[in-house]
Amino acid sequence: DAGVIQSPRHEVTEMGQEVTLRCKPISGHDYLFWYRQTMMRGLELLIYFNNNVPIDDSGMPEDRFSAKMPNASFSTLKIQPSEPRDSAVYFCASSYDTEAFFGQGTRLTVV
Amino acid sequence: KQEVTQIPAALSVPEGENLVLNCSFTDSAIYNLQWFRQDPGKGLTSLLLIQSSQREQTSGRLNASLDKSSGRSTLYIAASQPGDSATYLCAVQGVGKLTGGGNKLTFGTGTQLKVEL
Repeated sequence: DAGVIQSPRHEVTEMGQEVTLRCKPISGHDYLFWYRQTMMRGLELLIYFNNNVPIDDSGMPEDRFSAKMPNASFSTLKIQPSEPRDSAVYFCASSYDTEAFFGQGTRLTVV
Repeated sequence: KQEVTQIPAALSVPEGENLVLNCSFTDSAIYNLQWFRQDPGKGLTSLLLIQSSQREQTSGRLNASLDKSSGRSTLYIAASQPGDSATYLCAVQGVGKLTGGGNKLTFGTGTQLKVEL
């Protein structure tokens, strides 16, 4: 398996624009997590899914953020409208029972 | 609320030295603890996972221990090499309403390690 695949690797967008981050988990994994990493706050869990169902979205900062998992092999994290303070690295991770595996991340810059 | 602390925040050592990274957590009700490595601009690579019932795990020059009752874990790196330079993160997975891997990881802020020639 190629591991957790995220796209794009880098995204630069203007404030107010919609941003969509994508993730393909490892095949067979039934948990999917979205994390955000910043220098100030470290790694924070935004939301996670079990069998495509959102379980805990308490980490989603505000209504501008939304996440979906339409099937077991695909998830999106959308920010609309984007703001400069959303600039961070966004990681997707998947797991089956125990060990979590992370993607390479999407570095988002909102100018 | 689980809080994870890593000490030191940064560490610089000469090549060949043995070193210990520390991780402490406030809630001992954990499912497992995982150590990760993160290289600059890269994702997280899982190094070792210790189940709550285990005391330690070893992989090559790495050894991780877990003392759940005291809320502590250590990552021991033997004979450090420049290639070990990276940020090391520990994360604990809590016990919640879902079994297994279904509960979130709470991360520490990491230890930035530099191994010098």
